[in-house]
Amino acid sequence: GAVVSQHPSWVICKSGTSVKIECRSLDFQATTMFWYRQFPKQSLMLMATSNEGSKATYEQGVEKDKFLINHASLTLSTLTVTSAHPEDSSFYICSARDPGSSYGYTFGSGTRLTVV
Amino acid sequence: AQRVTQPEKLLSVFKGAPVELKCNYSYSGSPELFWYVQYSRQRLQLLLRHISRESIKGFTADLNKGETSFHLKKPFAQEEDSAMYYCALRAGSYQLTFGKGTKLSVIP
Repeated sequence: GAVVSQHPSWVICKSGTSVKIECRSLDFQATTMFWYRQFPKQSLMLMATSNEGSKATYEQGVEKDKFLINHASLTLSTLTVTSAHPEDSSFYICSARDPGSSYGYTFGSGTRLTVV
Repeated sequence: AQRVTQPEKLLSVFKGAPVELKCNYSYSGSPELFWYVQYSRQRLQLLLRHISRESIKGFTADLNKGETSFHLKKPFAQEEDSAMYYCALRAGSYQLTFGKGTKLSVIP
């Protein structure tokens, strides 16, 4: 089935630095990818919809200047957390529509970000 | 706005016992409902969707529009069913709205 590869699996960074998370679709093209964030004991929250070749669509309350999304190709979307702060520590997951299914989505394995 | 509620954070059952993971939603239109599962150290994956009315790994879920529910059920729990389960709703667009998840623990 369709696979989305997400890297890194975990990252620790210092406050004020930037971190880039990659999401790649393997063996299929993803014109649209989705970025989610999950705080401890909370649900998966959609952050933004990444559209190949155009600007991402951010959900209300998500700072687009802080969470930079780039979807330059049909197989790669990146999320860059700029000037990270400890409150950005979270679990980030990307997903894409599963081309083999009319309804399903395929998810990356997630990235655990810890800002110290 | 749509909302998905999973009232139980943790559900523990004995092996062989029936399982029911509750999911309620709020949405004014006709939603598409899904159940996703995440086993330990694995990625989130689709378990089943309401429109297919299928049984996957012994699990079934029926959409009850009157009660706005989409509870996940299995008659006999197995140890390998232990995982995090997320109910999700898609309302008209590509985006999914997730519940907070229920951790199912099957006791041997």
